[in-house]
Amino acid sequence: DAGITQSPRHKVTETGTPVTLRCHQTENHRYMYWYRQDPGHGLRLIHYSYGVKDTDKGEVSDGYSVSRSKTEDFLLTLESATSSQTSVYFCAISESGTTGNTIYFGEGSWLTVV
Amino acid sequence: QKEVEQDPGPLSVPEGAIVSLNCTYSNSAFQYFMWYRQYSRKGPELLMYTYSSGNKEDGRFTAQVDKSSKYISLFIRDSQPSDSATYLCAMRGSARQLTFGSGTQLTVLP
Repeated sequence: DAGITQSPRHKVTETGTPVTLRCHQTENHRYMYWYRQDPGHGLRLIHYSYGVKDTDKGEVSDGYSVSRSKTEDFLLTLESATSSQTSVYFCAISESGTTGNTIYFGEGSWLTVV
Repeated sequence: QKEVEQDPGPLSVPEGAIVSLNCTYSNSAFQYFMWYRQYSRKGPELLMYTYSSGNKEDGRFTAQVDKSSKYISLFIRDSQPSDSATYLCAMRGSARQLTFGSGTQLTVLP
């Protein structure tokens, strides 16, 4: 296991409510990512972080925000959840440096917006 | 058009067969290529990583990259029921972010 813990693992929420997913790593890796996975689309990058308080947008960032106040924690927030955000969310981490090509994934968080 | 195209399958083979999984891509800047395996309701795990063109072998798995054709392959020899999973190709250029294929679902029948 890559030392990544996602919480909650499963959540059902109502449209319009805020939702926060948490990713915690024990590897002290610099880079952290949030992906969503949907049938026919594969994994798509939402946001990523390259250090504490350093974040950037990915391919599908609309409707999502992130924060990283500590190296080990990366939070993904849906400010006002919509049904289109029903998905499986994966946190991932990778090492810093030029050899940091390997990205390790967490176990996923299943989110249903009703 | 997606940057990375991958046949979603499903692909079903008998145990012991050689499996060939493929991806094509359009971005000539991609130079790092990866294959991930994902079991049902689990996170993807890295299987193979290759840089630029050529072949790389690891046990029963061989990853092949043909940059001139923008085509990558993963071969699984002597396939086992435990190989049943979804296989995702992934690639990137100098930027750190990966671009993934949509995955091929493989079932190896005992």
